[in-house]
Amino acid sequence: GAVVSQHPSRVICKSGTSVKIECRSLDFQATTMFWYRQFPKQSLMLMATSNEGSKATYEQGVEKDKFLINHASLTLSTLTVTSAHPEDSSFYICSAREGQYNEKLFFGSGTQLSVL
Amino acid sequence: DQQVKQNSPSLSVQEGRISILNCDYTNSMFDYFLWYKKYPAEGPTFLISISSIKDKNEDGRFTVFLNKSAKHLSLHIVPSQPGDSAVYFCAASEGSSNTGKLIFGQGTTLQVKP
Repeated sequence: GAVVSQHPSRVICKSGTSVKIECRSLDFQATTMFWYRQFPKQSLMLMATSNEGSKATYEQGVEKDKFLINHASLTLSTLTVTSAHPEDSSFYICSAREGQYNEKLFFGSGTQLSVL
Repeated sequence: DQQVKQNSPSLSVQEGRISILNCDYTNSMFDYFLWYKKYPAEGPTFLISISSIKDKNEDGRFTVFLNKSAKHLSLHIVPSQPGDSAVYFCAASEGSSNTGKLIFGQGTTLQVKP
C-alpha cells in the first residue's frame, strides 16, 4: 500500500521554541493532506486541511498563527508549532489522500510532542 | 460535541470467536462511514467502508453493518485472530460523498487472545 512518512516520531522541546513536523507521501502524489491532533483516549481531531499550492483550511478553534501549515509540493506538507507551550503537548498525525476518496487516505505514524 | 462515539474503550475476545465493535453517530447528514485499524507506532490503515445506501458490506472476515434509523454501525470480525489485536477507529465522512473530511470516534482497543 501507499506509504506516508512522518518525522520526527517524538520530540521534546522547551517552552517558547518552535517545532516542525514533516509529512511525506513516498510513492504517490497527494493533492490533499490533513493534520490531526489526538489527546489520550480521545479521537483524532482534524486541525486543518492542506492543499498543494494553496493556503490551508483550519478547523474552528485552531489557531492558524500557532500551527503553521505549508504544502509546497505534492509530496510534502509541514506543520510548525510556533512558540510551543506545555498545553500544545499532544500526538500529531498527518494523512495524505491519493485522489478524491477516503479509502485512499493514508496516515503517517504520528509525532508525540512534549513541551517542557 | 462528539459526533462519532465508540463507547467501549476496549474489547477482549478469544481467538476464533466473533469480535463486534460498535460505533454511534449523532449527525444524520453523515452518509459514508469507514473503519480504520491502528497498530502501535503506526498510523491508522483503512479497513472497510459503507455507504448509507447499504446496510451491510462484507470483505473477507470483516463485515460492517449500518443501522441508519439507530445511527449505529458495527464491525464484525469472524473468526478473530491474534493479529487482529489493534485499535479500531470508526469515522464518518462529512458532506454528501466520501470525499469530505473525516470525523473519528475515540477508538476501541481489541485484544484477541490465543
